[in-house]
Amino acid sequence: EPEVTQTPSHQVTQMGQEVILRCVPISNHLYFYWYRQILGQKVEFLVSFYNNEISEKSEIFDDQFSVERPDGSNFTLKIRSTKLEDSAMYFCASLFEAGRYEQYFGPGTRLTVT
Amino acid sequence: AQKITQTQPGMFVQEKEAVTLDCTYDTSDPSYGLFWYKQPSSGEMIFLIYQGSYDQQNATEGRYSLNFQKARKSANLVISASQLGDSAMYFCAMRDGPNTGNQFYFGTGTSLTVIP
Repeated sequence: EPEVTQTPSHQVTQMGQEVILRCVPISNHLYFYWYRQILGQKVEFLVSFYNNEISEKSEIFDDQFSVERPDGSNFTLKIRSTKLEDSAMYFCASLFEAGRYEQYFGPGTRLTVT
Repeated sequence: AQKITQTQPGMFVQEKEAVTLDCTYDTSDPSYGLFWYKQPSSGEMIFLIYQGSYDQQNATEGRYSLNFQKARKSANLVISASQLGDSAMYFCAMRDGPNTGNQFYFGTGTSLTVIP
């Protein structure tokens, strides 16, 4: 069964450093999402991406964040200058726009900012 | 205003019993989808069940069923014959239709513990 994959599974970085989180969505999916989940809290929407551009973003997704789909298969989330409060689990998800709107999540990347 | 409200931070159920996890939602879009996801302690998000706003019947997937009451804007998850492996966080989510950006909204989750 096709699945969304994410790398790395765990990333430790120092405050102020740039990180890139990588995702490979399911190949025939058209919509891509990033979410974050601070430990013990709810899943928060960051950004959605469709047709090679951002379709919607939340207030969390400020100028420190950017997304790219550089090669038609990878979908990346970049945080330019990490803060302690960026420590969270980051989930990528993809969706094939057809009726059920079922969103498939990747296993997540745990980002720890020290 | 919260789009998705889950009022039960924690629930306990005896093994083999049924349990209902509550979810209410708020949207003005006539076209929307409602979802339940399970998040075990390992952290991954597992899709359980989907209900579309225009679906006439309540969704069912194995031991999971969704009690959809459109007028009350509720979408409660019913797990029948609970198993120890059902112990996890459960998140209700909604996707608005195209008029409101197709964004997914998640509730705060309910932690379910199944007692042997």
